[in-house]
This record gives sequence, structure tokens and C-alpha cells, in this order.
Amino acid sequence: TQLLEQSPQFLSIQEGENLTVYCNSSSVFSSLQWYRQEPGEGPVLLVTVVTGGEVKKLKRLTFQFGDARKDSSLHITAAQPGDTGLYLCAETSGSRLTFGEGTQLTVNP
Amino acid sequence: DTEVTQTPKHLVMGMTNKKSLKCEQHMGHRAMYWYKQKAKKPPELMFVYSYEKLSINESVPSRFSPECPNSSLLNLHLHALQPEDSALYLCASSHAGLEETQYFGPGTRLLVL
Repeated sequence: TQLLEQSPQFLSIQEGENLTVYCNSSSVFSSLQWYRQEPGEGPVLLVTVVTGGEVKKLKRLTFQFGDARKDSSLHITAAQPGDTGLYLCAETSGSRLTFGEGTQLTVNP
Repeated sequence: DTEVTQTPKHLVMGMTNKKSLKCEQHMGHRAMYWYKQKAKKPPELMFVYSYEKLSINESVPSRFSPECPNSSLLNLHLHALQPEDSALYLCASSHAGLEETQYFGPGTRLLVL
């Protein structure tokens, strides 16, 4: 099982600011998923990236997969309080889904 | 219907109690999962069922007993739990097969006294 490192661990910003969170691995990802989890809820899948260098956009969220498929980033533009939550990257290996430690994002109004 | 439902939402139990957590999905998924999540930590896989058969047990103590009565239902039977078992228990489902997207339920918040 490879180790997924996420940074920063905690992030508190004001509404309207931009931010980037990172997910890094010691080895190559087969595919990488980003989830957001709100308090008292289960994780919700945001995106899956598969191809090295891939960029996917989801409204104000931009996801990048590194060329070497060992790292990924999530950039949020003009953050809103509704973006508050735990952002988790995860890798699938067969039936197993292995999560990183997560970035806890708080967007203050 | 893309929803995974879990009941109860909250559960408080003593160390001598027996209780069950329930999970249901109607997406035609044939793989179902139990995860345990402690506060401020990521979910950790406990069990995987594929086509109603247990395929992965991540060395979970026997006080947790999973059951898959049919392709839509997944139970987790709890007996003689310890206070350190207090956590959010998440159920997920996916199409059977490798690296399929997992859809999570809202979880059951368990407190063991």
C-alpha cells in the first residue's frame, strides 16, 4: 500500500481567496480520486484523474495530475463558505480505496 | 437512485450491548464496503463484499461481524465493543470490478460507553 501525503493538513482562508492543496505519493498512481467530506456526511467523489498531465475542471475547482502520475493538486478559485470540508485524495488498488490524511479547509465569510 | 442509505444515524451503546448497523443501496452495485473513520482521520477499510461474498477482511476484530443478506443490503453486527471503537462507520458501494467508483453513505456515528 503506497503512502499518500496531503498538504497542507489544515487551511483557513477568507471568502474570495484562492487556494491549492496537494497530494503526493512515493510511487506511481494507477488512478487518483479527489473526495470532499462535510461534517456528519460520507465522502463525495469530485473527480477521477487517470492520465499523466491531465487537467479537469469542475466549476471553480481545477484538478491536475502530474506528468509522472505521482502527484496531484486541487485548486479552488474564489473560495466560498460552502467549500468548507475535508478534502481527501485516494487511490484505488483492486477493491481497495486508500485515502490520504486529508486537508481540512475552512472558508470564513 | 444514486444514494446509499445508512441507519441509524447515531448510536450509543454500552460495552455489553449487541447492536447492528444497516446499509442499503438500489444502484445495482454488487460490491459493498464498510469503513471506520475516527475524528480528523481518513476512512479506513474494514470489509469488502463482492457478489454477497466476503472478499476482504482487513484484520478486523471479531466483535465486528459483517453480513450481506442480499445484493442491496449490508449489515454490521456489533458485540462487546470497546470505547475506542467509537467512530463514524461508513458504508459504500460500487459496481463489482477493479477500481470502480465507490459511493458512500452518510455514516453512523457510534459512541461506545
